[in-house]
Amino acid sequence: DTEVTQTPKHLVMGMTNKKSLKCEQHMGHRAMYWYKQKAKKPPELMFVYSYEKLSINESVPSRFSPECPNSSLLNLHLHALQPEDSALYLCASSQKDRPGGNSPLHFGNGTRLTVT
Amino acid sequence: AQKVTQAQTEISVVEKEDVTLDCVYETRDTTYYLFWYKQPPSGELVFLIRRNSFDEQNEISGRYSWNFQKSTSSFNFTITASQVVDSAVYFCALGVFSGGYNKLIFGAGTRLAVHP
Repeated sequence: DTEVTQTPKHLVMGMTNKKSLKCEQHMGHRAMYWYKQKAKKPPELMFVYSYEKLSINESVPSRFSPECPNSSLLNLHLHALQPEDSALYLCASSQKDRPGGNSPLHFGNGTRLTVT
Repeated sequence: AQKVTQAQTEISVVEKEDVTLDCVYETRDTTYYLFWYKQPPSGELVFLIRRNSFDEQNEISGRYSWNFQKSTSSFNFTITASQVVDSAVYFCALGVFSGGYNKLIFGAGTRLAVHP
């Protein structure tokens, strides 16, 4: 079983809906990530949180809004998405986020999102 | 440029065969990390191994072994006596510190199908 838990596993939403993806880890990791993965492609980084602060936004459209309420939780709020946003959204966490501390990322099972 | 190349898009083998997944990377950094992740059909990315750039020792873990050669910038992964449960997409990734954070650069992935 993965130590990073993502809910829901599947989500279907219309283009006018507002929904949220949730991610939780209890490994004491202080870096958390959102990745997007299209079919038959590698994951692409969206956001990085380090010590609950947004460190990196990889030019993600504002219809995706991340939130880190505490060190264990990471949310991704979705609003006015497009059909091309349909993908597998993966959350990950790692121990460190600094030079020389390239700790492995631990990924969740992902949320498979379909935008209709 | 920092890049990971997995030239094999798909590999198909029969159970009990040995199979090697190739990974070639490019980076100018002297300190970097290399990772292998497995993504079964269920979707989660499972961490398999991390090596740092200063440790060229090969590693064996059960039926899995990894061959790191800096001279050829390769980090190949061999599965001995493959099993149906090994069927998955395998990603090689390069970890570097870039732009103020640890960045994971994924290869395109190799889809391995092990048939009974």
